[in-house]
Amino acid sequence: DTAVSQTPKYLVTQMGNDKSIKCEQNLGHDTMYWYKQDSKKFLKIMFSYNNKELIINETVPNRFSPKSPDKAHLNLHINSLELGDSAVYFCASSQATVINTEAFFGQGTRLTVV
Amino acid sequence: AQKITQTQPGMFVQEKEAVTLDCTYDTSDPSYGLFWYKQPSSGEMIFLIYQGSYDQQNATEGRYSLNFQKARKSANLVISASQLGDSAMYFCAMREGALAGNQFYFGTGTSLTVIP
Repeated sequence: DTAVSQTPKYLVTQMGNDKSIKCEQNLGHDTMYWYKQDSKKFLKIMFSYNNKELIINETVPNRFSPKSPDKAHLNLHINSLELGDSAVYFCASSQATVINTEAFFGQGTRLTVV
Repeated sequence: AQKITQTQPGMFVQEKEAVTLDCTYDTSDPSYGLFWYKQPSSGEMIFLIYQGSYDQQNATEGRYSLNFQKARKSANLVISASQLGDSAMYFCAMREGALAGNQFYFGTGTSLTVIP
């Protein structure tokens, strides 16, 4: 069973489109994250949710809107896609109050905006 | 200030040799965790090893060990007996405290190439 699964794995779309990436974890974790990995491999936090509540909202354009229907799911919706949004997006989960718990990552979604 | 600093963008090591990947961190929180991840060319993030700020001994996991020097705020990863499959990006990460939603801060990564 996949611990953190995100779909799709690849997403190619035109500028101006709206797209969503879905993420689900079956680890019973209470915290989920979205990270963006740019072409230089730098991992930047975008959002953090704990028990469906938004905790971290880094300086991300408001075209990016996370949604957490329950603590096992954290989806990312992106409006009006731009060329600069091309990157790999990782969903991750962890247990908030257990510091020695690593973040479990999904396989990543490679978004290409053309 | 950067929370995690990895100063080696690229490293080369001969197969079967040991290699050390550097990581320094910055925090004023007495409780924190340090993590190393491997990202092969296939793209997935693989957890390797963890060190807690209160751990007295250096963490080890198979061929991986963490050289934890708290006073110097360094948490270097040592890979012994390198294998070709160790070629990958390696990320050092830190999590402060155990508060809800606390993020994992990542370094910029080190690209390791194992030479046959």
